[in-house]
Amino acid sequence: ETGVTQTPRHLVMGMTNKKSLKCEQHLGHNAMYWYKQSAKKPLELMFVYNFKEQTENNSVPSRFSPECPNSSHLFLHLHTLQPEDSALYLCASSQVVRLAGTSRGQETQYFGPGTRLLVL
Amino acid sequence: GQQLNQSPQSMFIQEGEDVSMNCTSSSIFNTWLWYKQDPGEGPVLLIALYKAGELTSNGRLTAQFGITRKDSFLNISASIPSDVGIYFCAGDDSNYQLIWGAGTKLIIKP
Repeated sequence: ETGVTQTPRHLVMGMTNKKSLKCEQHLGHNAMYWYKQSAKKPLELMFVYNFKEQTENNSVPSRFSPECPNSSHLFLHLHTLQPEDSALYLCASSQVVRLAGTSRGQETQYFGPGTRLLVL
Repeated sequence: GQQLNQSPQSMFIQEGEDVSMNCTSSSIFNTWLWYKQDPGEGPVLLIALYKAGELTSNGRLTAQFGITRKDSFLNISASIPSDVGIYFCAGDDSNYQLIWGAGTKLIIKP
């Protein structure tokens, strides 16, 4: 079983559509991430979930809505997107260790294959 | 926010040549990671470095964690066609967030 899977692999949607991206990790990790990857730019971290709680939201527009029902599954709900949202959306997971009330991330993140999104 | 400077942005090489790329930061990092991304796929971890001065190999790949903790390099020896792709460095800062470089695209000349 591949460590991190993502569906769909490709998605074309209009600006008025609602769609969802799905990610599943089979590595027993407790942290999951959504990244946006645009051409010739560094990966942009969108959301982080540690122990199923959202701990980061890097100024992402509200038309992107994450959901983490359990430590193995992560969704990204899309609504009224813009053409500039077209990109590769990557999911990743890692094992986070909590020490003395803080979250010390091992931060070796394992990625899924991504969903190539085109917004028309 | 923090940024990583990764260079070169792209490289055109002949098969069999050695390749070198590096990343520098204005801040100290606790961990350096090197990933490779093939077209249509997510990044795959190549090498992880956890201590300043650490030199680690993975087959023909060698990476080092700089003594100052502000830089890292990745070398590929005797490149082969399947080495083409985009190589990313990533650093784990004091807030335990991963900061990413913009990538080095490796292209093999025909």
